[in-house]
Amino acid sequence: EVLLVESGGGLVQPGGSLRLSCAASGFNFSTYEFNWVRQAPGKGLEWVSYISSSGNTFYSADSVRGRFTISRDDAKNSLYLQMNSLRAEDTAIYYCARIMELVATSDYWGQGTLVTVSS
Amino acid sequence: EIVMTQSPATLSLSPGERATLSCRASQSVSGNLAWYQQKPGQAPRLLIYGASTRATGIPARFSGSDSETEFTLTISSLQSEDFAIYYCQQYNDWPTFGQGTKVEI
Repeated sequence: EVLLVESGGGLVQPGGSLRLSCAASGFNFSTYEFNWVRQAPGKGLEWVSYISSSGNTFYSADSVRGRFTISRDDAKNSLYLQMNSLRAEDTAIYYCARIMELVATSDYWGQGTLVTVSS
Repeated sequence: EIVMTQSPATLSLSPGERATLSCRASQSVSGNLAWYQQKPGQAPRLLIYGASTRATGIPARFSGSDSETEFTLTISSLQSEDFAIYYCQQYNDWPTFGQGTKVEI
């Protein structure tokens, strides 16, 4: 069974940092690409960041570029999102999502972790 | 950025009725369109990709159709578990989502 479990969310002050983790199991983690997608409370879905299977290629949305960094550790079957200089508008549930092979959309999603940026 | 626009915002229907949800892309996405279902407190669930291919385990009552920029998700006969929010998403470029259509009883 494919499982993605996010952790690391919580309450942080504006300007602070958090590191989200996503632990994967049930599939060959190293061969897949991943996205982070977020959802502000009561709002729609927003793509945040992408990482290739090799880890050598990554992209982020304009809204987070320069502040958020995606990475992976294939030895630990884990995906990460380092979030710096957090703003109130970064408050959201953050989902990690596996990208399907041959089809560049996400087939499995974690349950999400809530990040709240507030003083 | 490719802008995805969904309509209507809310669809009020009864179990057994047919639901037709629309999604328009601001430019061609070459059929690289997915539909997701999201229930309260849950992650999105992939229903359709490639505009019309059902994902693994998705019932046949869900179907998708496409033109270059106009896409439709049809639920042929609504079941109680189908009342949820539905998002379209293009993946021809960096992913962008529609704002969602809520299907309510």
